[in-house]
Amino acid sequence: DGGITQSPKYLFRKEGQNVTLSCEQNLNHDAMYWYRQDPGQGLRLIYYSQIVNDFQKGDIAEGYSVSREKKESFPLTVTSAQKNPTAFYLCASISQGYGNTEAFFGQGTRLTVV
Amino acid sequence: GENVEQHPSTLSVQEGDSAVIKCTYSDSASNYFPWYKQELGKGSQLIIDIRSNVGEKKDQRIAVTLNKTAKHFSLHITETQPEDSAVYFCAAKGSSGSARQLTFGSGTQLTVLP
Repeated sequence: DGGITQSPKYLFRKEGQNVTLSCEQNLNHDAMYWYRQDPGQGLRLIYYSQIVNDFQKGDIAEGYSVSREKKESFPLTVTSAQKNPTAFYLCASISQGYGNTEAFFGQGTRLTVV
Repeated sequence: GENVEQHPSTLSVQEGDSAVIKCTYSDSASNYFPWYKQELGKGSQLIIDIRSNVGEKKDQRIAVTLNKTAKHFSLHITETQPEDSAVYFCAAKGSSGSARQLTFGSGTQLTVLP
């Protein structure tokens, strides 16, 4: 079945550590996105990539890094520079065509800093 | 860039009543408008979408309307049920260049009271 998979579902990190969240899709979508959601707030864009080997900062990119070495994968690294990393992270992929447009989300990763 | 505003932020309705959530967008080039439902502990799920060449789309108890002139679109849920309780997000997507990213509203917490 085609879809988008995030892992892990829950992640605990010690302060000062970097951690990488996985996002994989087999939908052949060009564009992939990372969002952060905090309690009582909407989604905020961290990074997005419209094509392999290219990505752009979103509204809250500080303290995060990404890579897009292949179309299927868009991992997000939460670095120690991110001052408040505890949040729910959502990855999405979107077809880039001008005809049918599909957008799918992963199940999310809940990151907690302990 | 695109700016999407969503209202209300919270909405409570009695079971069986209708619920309406409204979004406005700023970029007249946006041509795709999806709605997502996010339940506690789960990732977001696409529930309905509409493209700019259509004014209204319906799927059972859910409908979406689009007014391109006024640049607003709305989600309508009829005969609400307790399982409709969730956070709902609207989004708008442009058709070219930097407007291709998906911009989300801030979300609406819908509570259906039994």
